[in-house]
Amino acid sequence: NAGVTQTPKFQVLKTGQSMTLQCAQDMNHNSMYWYRQDPGMGLRLIYYSASEGTTDKGEVPNGYNVSRLNKREFSLRLESAAPSQTSVYFCASSESLPYGYTFGSGTRLTVV
Amino acid sequence: SQQGEEDPQALSIQEGENATMNCSYKTSINNLQWYRQNSGRGLVHLILIRSNEREKHSGRLRVTLDTSKKSSSLLITASRAADTASYFCATDVDSNYQLIWGAGTKLIIKP
Repeated sequence: NAGVTQTPKFQVLKTGQSMTLQCAQDMNHNSMYWYRQDPGMGLRLIYYSASEGTTDKGEVPNGYNVSRLNKREFSLRLESAAPSQTSVYFCASSESLPYGYTFGSGTRLTVV
Repeated sequence: SQQGEEDPQALSIQEGENATMNCSYKTSINNLQWYRQNSGRGLVHLILIRSNEREKHSGRLRVTLDTSKKSSSLLITASRAADTASYFCATDVDSNYQLIWGAGTKLIIKP
């Protein structure tokens, strides 16, 4: 099925460990996004890529890095995980505004 | 920072009733979108309304936009158990590919 695929679905890290969250879309969308979702809060943008070859910081970029590997793939890296990064992470893609976003199913990350 | 605020935070109604959720925002927008999120799942785009539109329909969904009051409402008619989910509004403020999200309304449909 066409859409956005995120891996892994669940992950537990120890403080200080690193990991990369993978995201791929097969809809030929130009723009891709990484969000985090915390209880009682809306989505907060971490980084986005308006087009292949470009990345920009969102609202909460500290502690994260991203790579737009090609048009399909956009990865999010935590270099040294902290408990404050415990969250659900969503990748999304869009053709461009004013079109809607297509979301992946999320990665539930726990940092202990 | 949050642009949109949904109201109420939670809503519980009987199956078959209509559900209305509201979204207020702070700054001028280009468009406003509504999304649904089922428990443990990603968000699904429902409907987009542009700033020059006042009302839009999609199946059992009706969205209104009042730019003078900086508010939008989502009406779900003849609710079903499958409508149980959280609903979020998101606004496009400056066309740099970013949406700003509210905290959501949790809707529970009782059978």
